[in-house]
Amino acid sequence: DGGITQSPKYLFRKEGQNVTLSCEQNLNHDAMYWYRQDPGQGLRLIYYSQIVNDFQKGDIAEGYSVSREKKESFPLTVTSAQKNPTAFYLCASSTHAAGANNEQFFGPGTRLTVL
Amino acid sequence: GNSVTQMEGPVTLSEEAFLTINCTYTATGYPSLFWYVQYPGEGLQLLLKATKADDKGSNKGFEATYRKETTSFHLEKGSVQVSDSAVYFCALNVNAGGTSYGKLTFGQGTILTVHP
Repeated sequence: DGGITQSPKYLFRKEGQNVTLSCEQNLNHDAMYWYRQDPGQGLRLIYYSQIVNDFQKGDIAEGYSVSREKKESFPLTVTSAQKNPTAFYLCASSTHAAGANNEQFFGPGTRLTVL
Repeated sequence: GNSVTQMEGPVTLSEEAFLTINCTYTATGYPSLFWYVQYPGEGLQLLLKATKADDKGSNKGFEATYRKETTSFHLEKGSVQVSDSAVYFCALNVNAGGTSYGKLTFGQGTILTVHP
């Protein structure tokens, strides 16, 4: 089945540590996205990538980094510079970035907790 | 800029009740509008969408009509079920000269709980 997988489902991190969240898709989508979800808030865009080897900052990129070396993979690193990293992180993809009609498909999410 | 405002929740209903979740938006340009649903512990799923004024999106008994004159996209269902309990997000995407990059702007989400 085609879809988006995220791992791990739950992740615990000590303060001061970097941690990398995995996102893989087999939908052959060009565009991929990372969102952060906090209780009582909508999703906020962290980074997005339209094509391989290219990515742009979203609304809340500080303290995060990404790479897009392969079409199917878009890992997110939460660095120690992110002051409040505890949240639910969602990865998404779409056929291509441009175009307002494009549906985004979401992964199941990773819940990160900083101890 | 672009923004989406949803009615505040949580919303609690009995099974078979009528559901309305209000959504209004502001946008530079002509947006496409979406409703996503998030079941507990899961990612988001597209529920329905509308891409131009007066379009009606529908799926699984849910409907929403793109009202340009009132900048609204309210979600409705005539008879809710316990299985509809979830968080519902209204979202928009504006294609500004092909440079929208697929960026969705989300509302804050509305928690719906349906009791038997």
